[in-house]
Amino acid sequence: GIQVEQSPPDLILQEGANSTLRCNFSDSVNNLQWFHQNPWGQLINLFYIPSGTKQNGRLSATTVATERYSLLYISSSQTTDSGVYFCAVGSNSGYALNFGKGTSLLVTP
Amino acid sequence: DTGVSQDPRHKITKRGQNVTFRCDPISEHNRLYWYRQTLGQGPEFLTYFQNEAQLEKSRLLSDRFSAERPKGSFSTLEIQRTEQGDSAMYLCASSLGGLGLAGPDTQYFGPGTRLTVL
Repeated sequence: GIQVEQSPPDLILQEGANSTLRCNFSDSVNNLQWFHQNPWGQLINLFYIPSGTKQNGRLSATTVATERYSLLYISSSQTTDSGVYFCAVGSNSGYALNFGKGTSLLVTP
Repeated sequence: DTGVSQDPRHKITKRGQNVTFRCDPISEHNRLYWYRQTLGQGPEFLTYFQNEAQLEKSRLLSDRFSAERPKGSFSTLEIQRTEQGDSAMYLCASSLGGLGLAGPDTQYFGPGTRLTVL
């Protein structure tokens, strides 16, 4: 199946700092989503972005499908941004999302 | 839009018992998915329904697992003869899809059912 690698695995930031999370994938994709998993386990949709660039407030994402990677940018981080960020991709062979292992982000005051 | 709901939120059972989980998708969504997440890992796909038809199953879904979506609305996931290795968070997701379309779309996740097998 399609492989998804996320980096870095862990990240500690001071409030107000910016960060970039990366997702590499091993094959062509027709679906790519970024999620934030909060401390209670709820997966919150951030972006549906199989290609191109999107922005939502302090968050933005870019996917370069031809080079098989996606980036999630967090600007002016806040303590509420803490949690695990997952990249998930879908291949042309089905509807399942294949998740990476996530980036665990801690934003300190 | 009330979101995807799952019941129960937590389940503790003894090894060898059967358990059943329920998922209610977002009301107009015709696609429903089950995933399993263990500690420190990303969710892993188990199975997919389009309306009432189960169209895709992962090899993770052993013969002790069965899923149904009888009327194309809510879904149940049953685990028979539970084992300690079944302890995990079971997540349900739904998406809108489109009648006659084969394309992917945004999946929305429920809060999950946390299963602990003693």
